[in-house]
Amino acid sequence: AIQLTQSPSSLSASVGDRVTITCRASQGVSSALVWYQQKPGKAPKLLIYDASTLDSGVPSRFSGSGSGTDFTLTISSLQPEDFATYYCQQFNIYPLTFGGGTKVEIK
Amino acid sequence: EVQLLESGGDLVQPGGSLRLSCAASGLTFSSLGMSWVRQIPGKGLEWVSSISNIGGSGSPTYYVDSVKGRFTISRDDSKNTLYLQMNSLGADDTAVYHCVSGRLRFHYWGQGILVTVSS
Repeated sequence: AIQLTQSPSSLSASVGDRVTITCRASQGVSSALVWYQQKPGKAPKLLIYDASTLDSGVPSRFSGSGSGTDFTLTISSLQPEDFATYYCQQFNIYPLTFGGGTKVEIK
Repeated sequence: EVQLLESGGDLVQPGGSLRLSCAASGLTFSSLGMSWVRQIPGKGLEWVSSISNIGGSGSPTYYVDSVKGRFTISRDDSKNTLYLQMNSLGADDTAVYHCVSGRLRFHYWGQGILVTVSS
């Protein structure tokens, strides 16, 4: 199975900060990568699919990049509602796998 | 508005069985692949199983290795309902199970239903 390693596992940041989360795959997944946001007590929400395509309604401060094995989720200016846990997921090959998550906390 | 409403979660003894259901509304269920994703409370996400949208008994299905031979995913397009039959349950199956739309990437999520395996 393809392993996805997210880093960091957690970070503290302030409103307005630029935040970058990385997701590294144990083997190439082309652009078959999704990013989700999960807030406490809520189901995950799809943010970005195909590595860089913003889902409908997702603010433009979110962006995704990468292909192959290295991917990045960037929040250009962190907002209060962005404090959450973020997961990457590959869908290039079964079994589908998720990264371990990155918790973004308030500094 | 899309709604995915899971039911059937319970406390079950090791070795027992449960069937989860997911009633879908607000989307064209029969045209969508569907999946189950689970999450141990406070932990990360794990894909469990997916089913294609071909319909009927011939819909291709996919499973994570840890549930192969124990879990069966199925769908009834006439009822807009997804199922997960879970047999030979063990403590490692304790989790919140989410019904999700899509076979590869997951756009809509149910709130999840708790399955607890314990004696």
